[in-house]
Amino acid sequence: KNQVEQSPQSLIILEGKNCTLQCNYTVSPFSNLRWYKQDTGRGPVSLTIMTFSENTKSNGRYTATLDADTKQSSLHITASQLSDSASYICVVSDSSYKLIFGSGTRLLVRP
Amino acid sequence: ETGVTQSPTHLIKTRGQQVTLRCSSQSGHNTVSWYQQALGQGPQFIFQYYREEENGRGNFPPRFSGLQFPNYSSELNVNALELDDSALYLCASSPGLADNTGELFFGEGSRLTVL
Repeated sequence: KNQVEQSPQSLIILEGKNCTLQCNYTVSPFSNLRWYKQDTGRGPVSLTIMTFSENTKSNGRYTATLDADTKQSSLHITASQLSDSASYICVVSDSSYKLIFGSGTRLLVRP
Repeated sequence: ETGVTQSPTHLIKTRGQQVTLRCSSQSGHNTVSWYQQALGQGPQFIFQYYREEENGRGNFPPRFSGLQFPNYSSELNVNALELDDSALYLCASSPGLADNTGELFFGEGSRLTVL
């Protein structure tokens, strides 16, 4: 069964600190992996999209990595800001029309 | 702003009623997909429309139906509402089918509460 598992479920960090969110997937065949940021009650906003051949991709203070062999991805946030408080969702495409979403990691950045 | 607009933003219905949610896609985008997001969960794929034809469907019963119009705007219709249909319904548009690396642009969602 195609699944996307994210950890931790929730995370609290202090402003200015770094953090890393994890994503493991069993989706096959694999097309691409995406990370989205979703503020409470809002629509998701794309952070990165990576294909099979890409190991890392950055978007400002966000850096995503992909290990297609172990089927793992991570999202690293550097020098966190209060505005980083949100849910971060890992999404995997299985080469068809279908996107499989993880349940997300809820990040809270405290002053 | 993604250029994708959804209406209404919030609505309350009772069990057994029918609801229509609307989505205007970003200019130039011919693909629209719909997702259901229960509280605390990730979005679940409902279906996708490409150039006015349903292109794929997730594990949702037939009472979930949709339309895409010539201007690529879209509707999601849900009949015989159940309590478990309470969720945030998200629409996303893209310039092509979502199996490529094209960006998905989400609207802000329609929050449906079924009493």
